[in-house]
Amino acid sequence: GENVEQHPSTLSVQEGDSAVIKCTYSDSASNYFPWYKQELGKRPQLIIDIRSNVGEKKDQRIAVTLNKTAKHFSLHITETQPEDSAVYFCAATLPKGYSTLTFGKGTMLLVSP
Amino acid sequence: DAGVIQSPRHEVTEMGQEVTLRCKPISGHDYLFWYRQTMMRGLELLIYFNNNVPIDDSGMPEDRFSAKMPNASFSTLKIQPSEPRDSAVYFCASRNRVFGSGNTIYFGEGSWLTVV
Repeated sequence: GENVEQHPSTLSVQEGDSAVIKCTYSDSASNYFPWYKQELGKRPQLIIDIRSNVGEKKDQRIAVTLNKTAKHFSLHITETQPEDSAVYFCAATLPKGYSTLTFGKGTMLLVSP
Repeated sequence: DAGVIQSPRHEVTEMGQEVTLRCKPISGHDYLFWYRQTMMRGLELLIYFNNNVPIDDSGMPEDRFSAKMPNASFSTLKIQPSEPRDSAVYFCASRNRVFGSGNTIYFGEGSWLTVV
């Protein structure tokens, strides 16, 4: 079926540690993989994205890696800070015309000072 | 740009009442989406439009839900009659024609619906 699996569902780290969130997708033709951050009571907001022709992308403390063969992609956050605490969603383009996204169930990241 | 604008931000209504949620997409965006977010089911796509035309409504839970987009700058999601299990955050979102490099789906602030 058309789905995106995301793990773990919750993740607790100490400030300064790294955090890794992993997602797998089912459709090998999916070609766009964004990550969203949702703070409590707020909207999901894009933090980084990657297209299928790229294996890795970095933006300061965050990075995303993509393994097309294995159909999985990961979000890496280094030197975590308390303000990184939020729910993170991965997503992939749907096979129905690739016009929209299907989202993982989310990972609640808690960074303790 | 003000981003995707939704109203109302919060609504509490009684079971059986009609609920209308409104959305103004980002100017120039060709696609408009309605998502529902709950703890149990996460972010679910209900329906989406391209150039004001509904493309896929397979996510609409049942006939009590309907959505319209009469023009490029306005869409509504209606629930009639509402039930307690409809309580959720409803997000409207929009995007430009092409995915990639920051050009993605942008969400509104959401409409928090509680049906009692």
